[in-house]
Amino acid sequence: GAGVSQTPSNKVTEKGKYVELRCDPISGHTALYWYRQSLGQGPEFLIYFQGTGAADDSGLPNDRFFAVRPEGSVSTLKIQRTERGDSAVYLCASSLTARSSYNSPLHFGNGTRLTVT
Amino acid sequence: DQQVKQNSPSLSVQEGRISILNCDYTNSMFDYFLWYKKYPAEGPTFLISISSIKDKNEDGRFTVFLNKSAKHLSLHIVPSQPGDSAVYFCAASGNNFNKFYFGSGTKLNVKP
Repeated sequence: GAGVSQTPSNKVTEKGKYVELRCDPISGHTALYWYRQSLGQGPEFLIYFQGTGAADDSGLPNDRFFAVRPEGSVSTLKIQRTERGDSAVYLCASSLTARSSYNSPLHFGNGTRLTVT
Repeated sequence: DQQVKQNSPSLSVQEGRISILNCDYTNSMFDYFLWYKKYPAEGPTFLISISSIKDKNEDGRFTVFLNKSAKHLSLHIVPSQPGDSAVYFCAASGNNFNKFYFGSGTKLNVKP
């Protein structure tokens, strides 16, 4: 079956602009996560959705970052007034169950590489 | 504060030999541990996991060992193949957590 799909694969934007990154999770997966990966680092947690609601947004770095999942499937990560420090690979992942539990690993998309110039 | 640590940024082994990748964690509440493999320009791919009720889990050439008292896990790949060359991340979580914590990765190079 289809895996997690993320679009665009690459996004170059100017400092101060607004961007939206899209994630289409695996069908039937109730949990959806956004992570950010900077060069030489592991994925860093941003936000977690259980269904339509953001169950944990403690990883969002500031209020310029926002994410939605209005119908419990596709999610959009929105970044306002982008800064050069926002440049990273943004990874989306989904998993079958609500909480981190045995036999329910994260399945990642290929990410969106965001470059802010 | 880094709750999951991979202290070796890189590892080079000869084809056919064993690769051992190490990972340490600090939070004793973690009870579910995973290894991911990542090729360039791709997302991390799930490889193998282990729950805290076990100390070993094996899947083909891949074995994960968990030492709870030392808060340490390791991934053994034997025999190593050139196609195993990638960055390997360990991750940890548990029922009390909504998220997975990742280490910074170890880049494995398997030389033919």
